[in-house]
Amino acid sequence: AQSVSQHNHHVILSEAASLELGCNYSYGGTVNLFWYVQYPGQHLQLLLKYFSGDPLVKGIKGFEAEFIKSKFSFNLRKPSVQWSDTAEYFCAVKTGGYQKVTFGTGTKLQVIP
Amino acid sequence: GAVVSQHPSWVICKSGTSVKIECRSLDFQATTMFWYRQFPKQSLMLMATSNEGSKATYEQGVEKDKFLINHASLTLSTLTVTSAHPEDSSFYICSARPRDRFTGELFFGEGSRLTVL
Repeated sequence: AQSVSQHNHHVILSEAASLELGCNYSYGGTVNLFWYVQYPGQHLQLLLKYFSGDPLVKGIKGFEAEFIKSKFSFNLRKPSVQWSDTAEYFCAVKTGGYQKVTFGTGTKLQVIP
Repeated sequence: GAVVSQHPSWVICKSGTSVKIECRSLDFQATTMFWYRQFPKQSLMLMATSNEGSKATYEQGVEKDKFLINHASLTLSTLTVTSAHPEDSSFYICSARPRDRFTGELFFGEGSRLTVL
């Protein structure tokens, strides 16, 4: 069964700092990869996704993620965070042809003004 | 578009009672809905996959008689926690996949916090 690991549980950054959140998965076949974000008091929503093609995908609000197949990783990045990026971020994996989406444990990001 | 609504968002009940949580896709049809449970500082744990008009598929370790799932229409799935006990207290989240999209993207409800006294 696939699993997803997010190494950072709680990250605190100052505004304008760069962000990288790690995500690794364990599955050897075709995968679809997602990053979801949950702002305080709101629903989970999609930040970006990778299905095929360019391994560097760009999402909303200046976020991007890079799929590195050889490392089974899909790290999330943002060059300069803002206070409004304070939220919890979840990496998720869907294996090809299977409906189930497996989530990582989430990373709480706190951005200090 | 693609809004999913859960009701109630917060419920407190006595031990031994049953609680029903609704998940509705407001502006799309969802052939598949998923029910997750989230413990503090833990990931979303998939409980079951619900397909419209058929029996739900439960994940290993999830009691199907305890957590009854019904997906009677393309816009509504319900989770009933039967004979609830304090250990069932948790945050339950549903998600839905639009029938006309094949991107795998899920749309989430706001979650329902269950507290069993």
